[in-house]
Amino acid sequence: EAQVTQNPRYLITVTGKKLTVTCSQNMNHEYMSWYRQDPGLGLRQIYYSMNVEVTDKGDVPEGYKVSRKEKRNFPLILESPSPNQTSLYFCASSPLFVSPTGELFFGEGSRLTVL
Amino acid sequence: DQQVKQNSPSLSVQEGRISILNCDYTNSMFDYFLWYKKYPAEGPTFLISISSIKDKNEDGRFTVFLNKSAKHLSLHIVPSQPGDSAVYFCAASTSGTYKYIFGTGTRLKVLA
Repeated sequence: EAQVTQNPRYLITVTGKKLTVTCSQNMNHEYMSWYRQDPGLGLRQIYYSMNVEVTDKGDVPEGYKVSRKEKRNFPLILESPSPNQTSLYFCASSPLFVSPTGELFFGEGSRLTVL
Repeated sequence: DQQVKQNSPSLSVQEGRISILNCDYTNSMFDYFLWYKKYPAEGPTFLISISSIKDKNEDGRFTVFLNKSAKHLSLHIVPSQPGDSAVYFCAASTSGTYKYIFGTGTRLKVLA
């Protein structure tokens, strides 16, 4: 089954404790991206990657890091989480050079709480 | 500055009637627009899209209309069904930027 898989789905952590949210897709998509969803703000793009070793900042990259060492994986790293990073996070992928519609395929989300 | 706006946080419609969800944008460089549907505890799923070279795109019960001069798009669902109850996000993109700007979402409730 074609899917985007995120882990963990739920996490409660404390300020300053490094964490990684993993994202993996099995559709051989070139494009992957991270979003955060907050009440009243919709989905905001954090980082995106157009292919292996190619990453770029979205609209809200502060406090986050990403890496794209393999095509299928795009982990989101919070080096020193703070309470303002409490949010619902979504990973998405897209067949950048194939899909005429530009549609994104989203994972199920990771709810992160930073105390 | 919100470049993509969905000014109605919620909408209730009777089953069988038309649902109209609206979206406004400010950036004239946007040339591709998408609608996503999101159920609770799930990720958004793609619904329908439209390129700026068109003013209408239809897929079954779903039709998206684009008014470039007004920088406005709308999603029509006819007839509405209870299973359509979800949060709907519109998104906009500019070709070549690989960045998608999402609106804040509209929660649609279809009443049986």
